[in-house]
Amino acid sequence: DAKTTQPNSMESNEEEPVHLPCNHSTISGTDYIHWYRQLPSQGPEYVIHGLTSNVNNRMASLAIAEDRKSSTLILHRATLRDAAVYYCILSGHQTGANNLFFGTGTRLTVIP
Amino acid sequence: GAGVSQSPSNKVTEKGKDVELRCDPISGHTALYWYRQSLGQGLEFLIYFQGNSAPDKSGLPSDRFSAERTGGSVSTLTIQRTQQEDSAVYLCASSLVQGAYNEQFFGPGTRLTVL
Repeated sequence: DAKTTQPNSMESNEEEPVHLPCNHSTISGTDYIHWYRQLPSQGPEYVIHGLTSNVNNRMASLAIAEDRKSSTLILHRATLRDAAVYYCILSGHQTGANNLFFGTGTRLTVIP
Repeated sequence: GAGVSQSPSNKVTEKGKDVELRCDPISGHTALYWYRQSLGQGLEFLIYFQGNSAPDKSGLPSDRFSAERTGGSVSTLTIQRTQQEDSAVYLCASSLVQGAYNEQFFGPGTRLTVL
């Protein structure tokens, strides 16, 4: 499984932007970068994904480094409901497209 | 529309008993996945179904674990002769089609406790 490296935990103040980093130095050219999050006592939910270009959706933005060896999930204004574990995942023909490899993720705490 | 549903939400069983966990994927989704999550850990892939193709069983931890998907829809994960280390949350997900870029939709999970 292609590995990603994330900090174990991060804190943010409510209504401030949050930048969640992810390193994936062994990424291959066909790997997509996915972000999922898991709220307490729930199954994971999709946040965003990208391949090469930066991506924006209603939930977040994904900034992908030019060499694709790292990426950053950006929450523009953290709310208390954003407190969750955020998983950065690679998925592609070489990493195994049949499933997503979830590491331990980054636990985000949002401080009121 | 309805999301992925799983039943039961909680299951407590005695060591050595068999259990069946059910997953109803989103209608029209051809790919179905089972994962498990032990306390404080990430998700561990178990098995994957895509249409009528043979399932990918590469993640099943032992031959006590099996799964089937009837009619390309509902799936059942069966654990025989349960052990205490089987205690975990079992998560089911579905996606429209199989592919590296396809979003997986997860159910709420079944929390299994083996006493």
